Amino acid sequence: DGGITQSPKYLFRKEGQNVTLSCEQNLNHDAMYWYRQDPGQGLRLIYYSQIVNDFQKGDIAEGYSVSREKKESFPLTVTSAQKNPTAFYLCASSIRAGGAAGANVLTFGAGSRLTVL
Amino acid sequence: SQQGEEDPQALSIQEGENATMNCSYKTSINNLQWYRQNSGRGLVHLILIRSNEREKHSGRLRVTLDTSKKSSSLLITASRAADTASYFCAAGGYSTLTFGKGTMLLVSP
Repeated sequence: DGGITQSPKYLFRKEGQNVTLSCEQNLNHDAMYWYRQDPGQGLRLIYYSQIVNDFQKGDIAEGYSVSREKKESFPLTVTSAQKNPTAFYLCASSIRAGGAAGANVLTFGAGSRLTVL
Repeated sequence: SQQGEEDPQALSIQEGENATMNCSYKTSINNLQWYRQNSGRGLVHLILIRSNEREKHSGRLRVTLDTSKKSSSLLITASRAADTASYFCAAGGYSTLTFGKGTMLLVSP
């Protein structure tokens, strides 16, 4: 089955630690995204990548880092500089970013819930 | 950045009733999309309407778009308990989608 796999599903972090969330897709999509979801806040874009070895900051990139070394993979690192990292993190992909005809329809993973102890 | 905002924040109805959710956005779009999220899960795409379309249907879903008012509505007809979820609109620009805060729909048997 084609889709997006996020791991781990649940993650606990001590303050001051960096953690990396994994996101892998087998849909052959060019674009990948990371969103953060807090209760009552909807989804906010952290980073996105339109092509391998290239990525752009979203609305809330501070305290996060990403890499896109392979088309299939877009890992997100939550660094110790992120002051309030407890949230639900969602990875998504689309054929490409932007466009009217539907190439920007997102397929989401099941999410990773990060809790800072 | 452009942003969708849904209204109402929460909606509670009985099975068989219709549910209407509204969305407003701020800037020019290529398309407007609606997604559904069950509690603690990822989002699932429901329907897309292009900026040059005014209405679109898919099964029990009906979406309208008014670009002059920068607003959209999602109508779910003959609701079922299984429709209980959060619904998000997403404004599709030239690079990324921007999501609103969502409407929580509760359909009681």
